[in-house]
Amino acid sequence: DADVTQTPRNRITKTGKRIMLECSQTKGHDRMYWYRQDPGLGLRLIYYSFDVKDINKGEISDGYSVSRQAQAKFSLSLESAIPNQTALYFCATSAERVSGSTDTQYFGPGTRLTVL
Amino acid sequence: SQQGEEDPQALSIQEGENATMNCSYKTSINNLQWYRQNSGRGLVHLILIRSNEREKHSGRLRVTLDTSKKSSSLLITASRAADTASYFCATDSNSGGSNYKLTFGKGTLLTVNP
Repeated sequence: DADVTQTPRNRITKTGKRIMLECSQTKGHDRMYWYRQDPGLGLRLIYYSFDVKDINKGEISDGYSVSRQAQAKFSLSLESAIPNQTALYFCATSAERVSGSTDTQYFGPGTRLTVL
Repeated sequence: SQQGEEDPQALSIQEGENATMNCSYKTSINNLQWYRQNSGRGLVHLILIRSNEREKHSGRLRVTLDTSKKSSSLLITASRAADTASYFCATDSNSGGSNYKLTFGKGTLLTVNP
């Protein structure tokens, strides 16, 4: 089984709808991240969490919210979806290095979201 | 804003040739990582090089880091069609206190023709 799973894998929704993307991991990592990927723009960080009680905004958090329900679960919500949120969304996890630097990130398979 | 920028944006080579991709970044880093992404799939970690390292190898991959020029290169030797993918560099940055996060570049699309 995959270490980092995302549901759903594909979703088509309409403008104004609320949608939740879910991420689960079995790697036992404390750190979890949500990114979006748009053609030609690479990956941009939406939110990240370094433990269950820690939530931090990334560079493009407007229009999104997150919930860290447990160490293994990190959900991303779009309260009122708009067409420019159409993108590929990735969840990732990492361990915390003793030195404090960023360790390898392990990515889920992605969720392709289309907002009409 | 993007911390790392890959160059070239796209690279097309023949099987068996070597492929070199470059990454430039703007601020001091603790480490630099390279990731690979097959079309529409999740990213897969390839190699991590720390700021006090200058070169690192992993199989057919060779990564160099020049902190004075704030640049890194990824060399794939004896390329195969299966190496066709996008390659991203990622740098970590101190977001305050003891928190660190990665910033990804826009990627280089490598096509290896059979």
